[in-house]
Amino acid sequence: AQKVTQAQTEISVVEKEDVTLDCVYETRDTTYYLFWYKQPPSGELVFLIRRNSFDEQNEISGRYSWNFQKSTSSFNFTITASQVVDSAVYFCALSEASSNNNDMRFGAGTRLTVKP
Amino acid sequence: ETGVTQTPRHLVMGMTNKKSLKCEQHLGHNAMYWYKQSAKKPLELMFVYSLEERVENNSVPSRFSPECPNSSHLFLHLHTLQPEDSALYLCASSQTGTGIYEQYFGPGTRLTVT
Repeated sequence: AQKVTQAQTEISVVEKEDVTLDCVYETRDTTYYLFWYKQPPSGELVFLIRRNSFDEQNEISGRYSWNFQKSTSSFNFTITASQVVDSAVYFCALSEASSNNNDMRFGAGTRLTVKP
Repeated sequence: ETGVTQTPRHLVMGMTNKKSLKCEQHLGHNAMYWYKQSAKKPLELMFVYSLEERVENNSVPSRFSPECPNSSHLFLHLHTLQPEDSALYLCASSQTGTGIYEQYFGPGTRLTVT
């Protein structure tokens, strides 16, 4: 069964600090997809990234970067030079290719607070 | 702008009421989803519709009844709810086909059952 663990329930940093959000997953599939979503106080989940299991190349998008390590089943998310607007709950999710229904399993989320 | 809208944004209803949540997507997707987000639980997938057919029902109580009249619209009909059904209900849509696609979410309906 697929499972996603986000061990950090809450993180608080001061603006301009770097912060890494951890995500560890479990799956028996060899083909799967990993996602990160941001949920600001408004409630809507905002898609950030999708990565498939065959692409271990790390990705950088502005201040955001993702580190995919199959050897440790982790897909960590780093925000560089954090800003107050980064305050939100961040969710990691996993979807197995064997799922016919695009079924995503979400972690419990990490609440990030960035203080000015 | 996500292209997925939900109405109403907030709803308060008694346990004997009947109400409906509405979701509309403007992204040309052909799969739609209902999720429940409670305060102390991870996001729970409730229903999946693909090409307007229900393909998954994750053991959701019958007091929740989904309807997908076309690929752009999704409803969740509510009746005789319980206080523990109070939660944020999120709608999402995605492409379907070979591979797995990201889902795009609406802003949610905050439901309070009194």
